Amino acid sequence: AQTVTQSQPEMSVQEAETVTLSCTYDTSENNYYLFWYKQPPSRQMILVIRQEAYKQQNATENRFSVNFQKAAKSFSLKISDSQLGDTAMYFCAFSPSYGKLTFGQGTILTVHP
Amino acid sequence: DAGVIQSPRHEVTEMGQEVTLRCKPISGHNSLFWYRQTMMRGLELLIYFNNNVPIDDSGMPEDRFSAKMPNASFSTLKIQPSEPRDSAVYFCASSLAGRDTEAFFGQGTRLTVV
Repeated sequence: AQTVTQSQPEMSVQEAETVTLSCTYDTSENNYYLFWYKQPPSRQMILVIRQEAYKQQNATENRFSVNFQKAAKSFSLKISDSQLGDTAMYFCAFSPSYGKLTFGQGTILTVHP
Repeated sequence: DAGVIQSPRHEVTEMGQEVTLRCKPISGHNSLFWYRQTMMRGLELLIYFNNNVPIDDSGMPEDRFSAKMPNASFSTLKIQPSEPRDSAVYFCASSLAGRDTEAFFGQGTRLTVV
């Protein structure tokens, strides 16, 4: 069974600064996908970024980027130039096939003005 | 497309009553998932369907829970009888399996069993 661990229950950052959220996972699969989802107070689950395990290049989406270390089974999310609208719960998720997601426990991120 | 549509958004029911949650996936998607979110257990996959067929229901907590997908555009999650510990937010999500797409989530149903 796959497990996903987010060791930071809460994080905070000042507006315009950079923050990194940590995620580790455990799997015996060789091909899989990793995701970061954002859940604002509206509770809508929003995909932030995805990474295919077979790709060595780290994914980037505007201010969001990942540091994917396959051997270490680590998948951290970096948010640059943090904005107030980034305040949310962030979930790391693993999928051996698209859609069947196993989630971490989540990290509450608060961006302060 | 309007996205994944769940109803109702909120449900309050008394212990012992039957509860039915509904989901309309995105048109053309062939996989559908039901998740439950609680403070204690986080996000848990309850069951998922592929082409309307249940593939993995190992996450369904007990016999009181059942899920159906009679056609490609509709699914239900039923709890009978409901208990206070079933109080949670229930999410439905859909995806196009085998393609480079993520799972799209509905807005969720907040269930409160009193």
